[in-house]
Amino acid sequence: DIQVAQSPSSLSASVGDTVTLTCQTSHYVDKFLNWYQQKRGQAPKLLIYAAFNLHAGAPSRFSGSGSGTQFSLTITGLQPEDSATYYCQQSYSAPYTFGQGTKLDIK
Amino acid sequence: EEKLLESGGGVVQPGGSLRLSCAASGFKFNGFPMHWVRQAPGKGLEWLSLISGDGSYIHYADSVKGRFTISRDNSQESLHLQMNSLTTEDSALYYCTKEAYGTSSSALWGQGTLVFVSS
Repeated sequence: DIQVAQSPSSLSASVGDTVTLTCQTSHYVDKFLNWYQQKRGQAPKLLIYAAFNLHAGAPSRFSGSGSGTQFSLTITGLQPEDSATYYCQQSYSAPYTFGQGTKLDIK
Repeated sequence: EEKLLESGGGVVQPGGSLRLSCAASGFKFNGFPMHWVRQAPGKGLEWLSLISGDGSYIHYADSVKGRFTISRDNSQESLHLQMNSLTTEDSALYYCTKEAYGTSSSALWGQGTLVFVSS
């Protein structure tokens, strides 16, 4: 199975900041890496699919990059509503494993 | 509007069984692979299983292989997860998800149904 590691596990940033979350897979996954946002008490929502494609309805301040085994999610111009836990998931090879999540707090 | 609504969760004793269901609406159900994902209280997301649109391809996570069975009824636009030999480690919120973009990403999620395994 492909392992997925996210870093950092948590971070705190201010409104207007730009932050980057990273995701590393144990094996090559091409571009098949997705990012989800989960707010407290809610179901996860897809933000980015296939490494860099913005899901319909996701704000344009979210962007993804990377390929192979190294990926990142960048949020440009943090908003208070971006406080959430962010998960990456590889969908290259089943089982489609998730990372352990990065909890983002807005100061 | 596309929607997924899970049901069937509850309290069950270790060794017991439950059957979860997910009712889909607002999209052509048989055109999309569907997934089950769970989240234990305070923990991260765990992918469990997927079934192709016609039901011909199925895959499971090792943690549930041999105990859980995914199925779908395209005529009823519903997805199911039969869970047997449940343990306390299976206590979680169970989500069904709709795949999209042909990338096995989960573009639509239900609100989840809670399973609690306890004696």
